[in-house]
Amino acid sequence: GQNIDQPTEMTATEGAIVQINCTYQTSGFNGLFWYQQHAGEAPTFLSYNVLDGLEEKGRFSSFLSRSKGYSYLLLKELQMKDSASYLCAVRDMNYQLIWGAGTKLIIKP
Amino acid sequence: IAGITQAPTSQILAAGRRMTLRCTQDMRHNAMYWYRQDLGLGLRLIHYSNTAGTTGKGEVPDGYSVSRANTDDFPLTLASAVPSQTSVYFCASSESGGASGGELFFGEGSRLTVL
Repeated sequence: GQNIDQPTEMTATEGAIVQINCTYQTSGFNGLFWYQQHAGEAPTFLSYNVLDGLEEKGRFSSFLSRSKGYSYLLLKELQMKDSASYLCAVRDMNYQLIWGAGTKLIIKP
Repeated sequence: IAGITQAPTSQILAAGRRMTLRCTQDMRHNAMYWYRQDLGLGLRLIHYSNTAGTTGKGEVPDGYSVSRANTDDFPLTLASAVPSQTSVYFCASSESGGASGGELFFGEGSRLTVL
């Protein structure tokens, strides 16, 4: 079966750095997405990786290693507004998105 | 503001009743999707449509039907609601589906409770 694993919950301090990991086992690979979802709201797109390496976008960076079936989302200079769930999703060989259950990130002052 | 509009935002429904969740987008996206989101689980695809006039089944299609008569609208119908269909439903769209599909844009969600 296909599986996306992420930690259920993480806690970090305002101003610090946090890394949210995602490992996947899927039937094929056609890209990995990260989305942010604030409580009670819709998911919004953060990043997309299809090749190995690091993609940087402001305070957020996303890394992919296809050989290891692994990605991480790195959030720098954490702000209180970064408190949200972060969803990892992989597009499989049929171009369907397989979603992880999400990582709830709690930011403390 | 361009985007996706879902209605209703919240609904309580008696088991056995028929319900249609509406979804409209004004971005002229070809592909549209319906997901359900349950606590502790990832988003699960119910049905999708890569272009107007075509639909496909996702991971959890049983008990649901969709239609795509035009580009903008993609309603989801529960023919006879059951309590296990209690969930938050998200409609989403992307410029295209399949191999060229990009990021998804989501509506604000419809919270459905079936009693």
